[in-house]
Amino acid sequence: EVQVDQSGAEVKKPGESLKISCQGSGYSFTRYWIGWVRQMPGKGLEWMGVIYPGDSDVRYNPSFQGHVTISADKSISTAYLQWSSLEDSDSAMYYCARWSSSTLAPGKYFDYWGQGTLVIVSS
Amino acid sequence: QPVLTQSPSASASLGASVKLTCTLDGGHNNYAIAWYKQLPHKGPRYMMKVDFDDNHATGDGIPDRFSGSSSGAERYLTISSLQSEDEGDYYCQTWGSGDVVFGGGTKVTVL
Repeated sequence: EVQVDQSGAEVKKPGESLKISCQGSGYSFTRYWIGWVRQMPGKGLEWMGVIYPGDSDVRYNPSFQGHVTISADKSISTAYLQWSSLEDSDSAMYYCARWSSSTLAPGKYFDYWGQGTLVIVSS
Repeated sequence: QPVLTQSPSASASLGASVKLTCTLDGGHNNYAIAWYKQLPHKGPRYMMKVDFDDNHATGDGIPDRFSGSSSGAERYLTISSLQSEDEGDYYCQTWGSGDVVFGGGTKVTVL
């Protein structure tokens, strides 16, 4: 059974760093892209970026590039989303999800989603 | 980059049908899209993919009350025999020009 499990909620102060995780199981972790999606309170889904754990190729949404870093450790089937300096506006729910293919192309989608990691940034 | 447009809300009575629409912009009107359902405080769930030629791929365990179809730049998700657990937010998504793109979502209410 394919599962995507995320780390627990975090409460941080502005300026602090943070790294949240997403572990895949039940499939070959290195053969599927993993993506991160932000959902701010009461708002829709925003794609942040994807990583291919097989070779650590990363693609970012330009709106998020430079503010977050996406990485993966294929030895433990885990992807990460990290911030070096959090801002209040980073308070949101963050989802990771498995992309349905080894290729980024029209007609592909996120087929398995994690439960989400709530990040609260407050002084 | 593709643009996906969804109506903010839709409603129908228990047992009736509701048809959700996701509209692709003119430059990408032959693209496939995927539909997701999200319950409050839960992660989205993949429902199905809908191609321009009406082909679709349904997610695991999705009841056959859910069906997908296509007409021109519009992609549809029809929910038949509406049940209370069908309430939630429904998003469409596609990929193009190096980006994953989501529609704004439609909130479905069962009356």
